[in-house]
Amino acid sequence: RKEVEQDPGPFNVPEGATVAFNCTYSNSASQSFFWYRQDCRKEPKLLMSVYSSGNEDGRFTAQLNRASQYISLLIRDSKLSDSATYLCVVNILGSGNTGKLIFGQGTTLQVKP
Amino acid sequence: DTEVTQTPKHLVMGMTNKKSLKCEQHMGHRAMYWYKQKAKKPPELMFVYSYEKLSINESVPSRFSPECPNSSLLNLHLHALQPEDSALYLCASSQGGGLAEDTQYFGPGTRLTVL
Repeated sequence: RKEVEQDPGPFNVPEGATVAFNCTYSNSASQSFFWYRQDCRKEPKLLMSVYSSGNEDGRFTAQLNRASQYISLLIRDSKLSDSATYLCVVNILGSGNTGKLIFGQGTTLQVKP
Repeated sequence: DTEVTQTPKHLVMGMTNKKSLKCEQHMGHRAMYWYKQKAKKPPELMFVYSYEKLSINESVPSRFSPECPNSSLLNLHLHALQPEDSALYLCASSQGGGLAEDTQYFGPGTRLTVL
């Protein structure tokens, strides 16, 4: 079983649609949680951190359920520029008490006019 | 400012060459990371430096040799690579010394091709 699992998609949605991505993680000792966005042939960029209380940044809402080990991302009013791969990322303690990021496979979103 | 810079942007090398990748950040971050990303796959951690000391080596082959000359710089020395080592090499940094709560910021990467 992968440590972080995501539906790879692709999700093809029209502009203005609402789309939800889900992710599950297996390590219950995971410390922190993130969504990164990666455009083709570019580096991952932090989209938002994810907290149990839920957090919102404009059209983006992220939620963490520690009991179910489940992370979600909701994108409202999709724009063409939202087309990218969305990476669910978990930070766990590695050796030397140092954190290490574990990435999901990524979910591809294509927003069409 | 969350800028991590990497040079070169692209690198083509033969299997007998020796080359180095460079990464720099001036945000005062105390942890720096090397990741490898193959096409259509997520990044995979290679090395972590915390306060300029090697903290994690994810069983990376010795043909990859990291170096952290100071808190702002991270190098990856390459020698006798194989064609399957062709990938995007990403550097990242985080403010804490690699705490599990840290947010990591990525550089643009070096796209490496081994012939």
